[in-house]
Amino acid sequence: DIVMNQSPLSLAVTPGEPASISCRSSQSLLHSTGYNHLDWYLQKPGQSPQLLISLGSSRASGVPDRFSGSGSGTDFMLKISRVEADDVGTYYCMQGLQIPRTFGQGTKLEIK
Amino acid sequence: QVQLVESGGGVVQPGTSLRLSCTASGFPFSSYAFHWVRQAPGKGLEWVAAVSYDATDRFFGDSMKGRFAISRDSSKNTLYLQMNDLRVDDTAVYYCARDRTAFGVANPDFWGRGTLVAVSS
Repeated sequence: DIVMNQSPLSLAVTPGEPASISCRSSQSLLHSTGYNHLDWYLQKPGQSPQLLISLGSSRASGVPDRFSGSGSGTDFMLKISRVEADDVGTYYCMQGLQIPRTFGQGTKLEIK
Repeated sequence: QVQLVESGGGVVQPGTSLRLSCTASGFPFSSYAFHWVRQAPGKGLEWVAAVSYDATDRFFGDSMKGRFAISRDSSKNTLYLQMNDLRVDDTAVYYCARDRTAFGVANPDFWGRGTLVAVSS
C-alpha cells in the first residue's frame, strides 16, 4: 500500500498569514499521463470532507484562489496564501494512483 | 445540485451484518463510480471501497476484503455497502462519495453527510 505522510499534524495561523502543509508518498504518484494522482480535501468541523485540489494542482470548482497545490512524484504541498477564519478544519491528502486508496493522517489548522 | 444521502447505520453487535444505502440525485448516476470512506470517532479518513460506473470493477480496502461488498442499482440511483462479520473497530461514520471523473475511477469529489455505524456488545 502507498503510505501518505503529512506534516505538520497541526498548525495555528494568524488570519492574513500564509500556511503550508506537506504531503509525502511512499511511492511516486506521477502517472504515465503526466498527471500526479494526489488530491487535497478539507474537512471543516462537523462537516463532510470537501475537495480542494485534484491532480496535485487543479483547484476544484468554487475553491478560492488563495488555495494552491504543487509538487510532483512523492513530495506535495498545499499552500494557503492568506488564511481566513473559514479555513479552520482538518486537511487531508489522498493518493488516487493505486488500490487501496490511502489518506494522509490529516493536518488540523486552527486560527491564532 | 449533487446530493448524496446515506442511510442504514445503527448500533449492532459484533459478528452481525448491516447494509448501508446511499441515494444519489442531481447528476447521471450511471455515469459515475462511487466510493465509501469511513471515519472512526476522533480519527482520520479511511477509504473502504469503490465500484466503477458500470459495476464491472469493485475495489476494497485491505481490512474489508472478504467481509464487505459494494453494489449499485441504477434503477434506484442507489449505492450499497453490505458489511458482514462486523467488528468493534468497524465503528465509524461511513461516507458515500461520488468519483470526480465520469466513466473512470479516481478519487471522490462530492460527499454525503455520512451515517454512523456503532459496533458494540
